[in-house]
Amino acid sequence: AQSVTQLGSHVSVSEGALVLLRCNYSSSVPPYLFWYVQYPNQGLQLLLKYTSAATLVKGINGFEAEFKKSETSFHLTKPSAHMSDAAEYFCAVSKDTGRRALTFGSGTRLQVQP
Amino acid sequence: DTGVSQNPRHKITKRGQNVTFRCDPISEHNRLYWYRQTLGQGPEFLTYFQNEAQLEKSRLLSDRFSAERPKGSFSTLEIQRTEQGDSAMYLCASSFLFDRASGNTIYFGEGSWLTVV
Repeated sequence: AQSVTQLGSHVSVSEGALVLLRCNYSSSVPPYLFWYVQYPNQGLQLLLKYTSAATLVKGINGFEAEFKKSETSFHLTKPSAHMSDAAEYFCAVSKDTGRRALTFGSGTRLQVQP
Repeated sequence: DTGVSQNPRHKITKRGQNVTFRCDPISEHNRLYWYRQTLGQGPEFLTYFQNEAQLEKSRLLSDRFSAERPKGSFSTLEIQRTEQGDSAMYLCASSFLFDRASGNTIYFGEGSWLTVV
C-alpha cells in the first residue's frame, strides 16, 4: 500500500520568505511522486512530478522538490513566496503499475502574509 | 487541447434526488478517474476506466453510485437517492496510459460541487 503524509495542515510565511512544505511517502515499490496546487473552488493543477529521473525536480511558478529515498521525503520548496502562492498544496504518490491512481495527502494550506 | 471538462460545476439537490455529473477527458486519454474531495481533505479515489472498461471501484463507491464510460470517451457519474453525506466536490481526471514520458501524469478537471440539502 502507498501513502503520503503531509506535515503541517497550515503553513504561514511572509511574502519573499522561503516556502517549505513537507511530504513523506510510504511505498513498497519505487514511487512516482507529485505535487498539485488547488486554488479556492477549483480543481488541481500539477506543479511538478518525480518519475525516477532527476532527484531534484523543477516545476511551474518557481517551485521545486527533491526526492530523498533515504528519508522517504519529497518536500516542496520555493525560494521567495508571492501573494499569489496562497493556496492548498497536495502531495500524491502513485505506482507505475496497475491502476496508477494517485493517493493524496491531506493537504497543506499555504498563507502568504504581506 | 482544452483540458478535462466537467459539468455541471455546481449542483444543489434535495436529499433523495438523483444527480448526474459528466466528464469530458483530454482528447485521446484512455484512462479516466473519478475522485471525491470533502472540505479540508485530499481527493479520494472512487473509480477508474481504461477506455470503456471500469477496472476498479473503491469501497467508497456505494451501490448508489454508478459510473459509465460507454464509448471510451466521456464519462458520467450518477448518484441515486442522494444523502447529505454525499456533499462534496467530485473530480474527474484523465491520463494516457502508454505515455511513459509523461510519468503517469494525471490531469484534473475543475470539479463538480454537490450540495445535498
